[in-house]
Amino acid sequence: EVQLVESGGGLVQPGGSLRLSCAASGFTFSTSWMSWVRQAPGKGLEWVANINEDGSEKYYVDSVKGRFTISRDNAKNSLYLQMNSLRAGDTAVYYCARGQQLNYWGQGTLVTVSS
Amino acid sequence: DVVMTQSPLSLPVTLGQPASISCRSSQSLVYSDGNTYLNWFQQRPGQSPRRLIYKVSNRESGVPDRFSGSGSGTDFTLKISRVEAEDVGVYYCMQGRHWPWTFGQGTKVEIK
Repeated sequence: EVQLVESGGGLVQPGGSLRLSCAASGFTFSTSWMSWVRQAPGKGLEWVANINEDGSEKYYVDSVKGRFTISRDNAKNSLYLQMNSLRAGDTAVYYCARGQQLNYWGQGTLVTVSS
Repeated sequence: DVVMTQSPLSLPVTLGQPASISCRSSQSLVYSDGNTYLNWFQQRPGQSPRRLIYKVSNRESGVPDRFSGSGSGTDFTLKISRVEAEDVGVYYCMQGRHWPWTFGQGTKVEIK
């Protein structure tokens, strides 16, 4: 069974940093693209970033370019999202998802940016 | 960026009746491999999204056959043949053809 478990969310002040993790199991992580998607409270879904199987290709939505970095550790079956220079507008539940086309999702982790 | 436009945004439906959601993209979603990268997701209240349909019309394993997807190019439709209580939630289309991937605004399906 595919499982994706996000962690690392919490309350952070504007300008601060946070690192999200996603532990994957139940599939061959090292041969899967992985993605991050976020959902602000009461709002719709926004794709954030993708990374290819070996980490050599990364894509980001414009609003996080230069502030967020997606990465992975295939030996640990883990996906990461390093978030720097956080803004109030980054407040959201962050989901990790398998594949370019998001065929499995985790339960999400809440990031709140507030002073 | 590719704009995905869904309609309606709210869809009250009687149990057992059909429902239809439209999704239009501002650019063609056909890729050079011949596939059209249009997905549909369901988000039930309090749950994570799950993919129902990929490449326009392919149902995920375990998705009831009352759900169907159709369309081509820039115009797509998700249909529920007979709405059940468990279908309540928000439905999103998403294009996975042009970076950045983009979602529609979401259509809230509720029971009348």
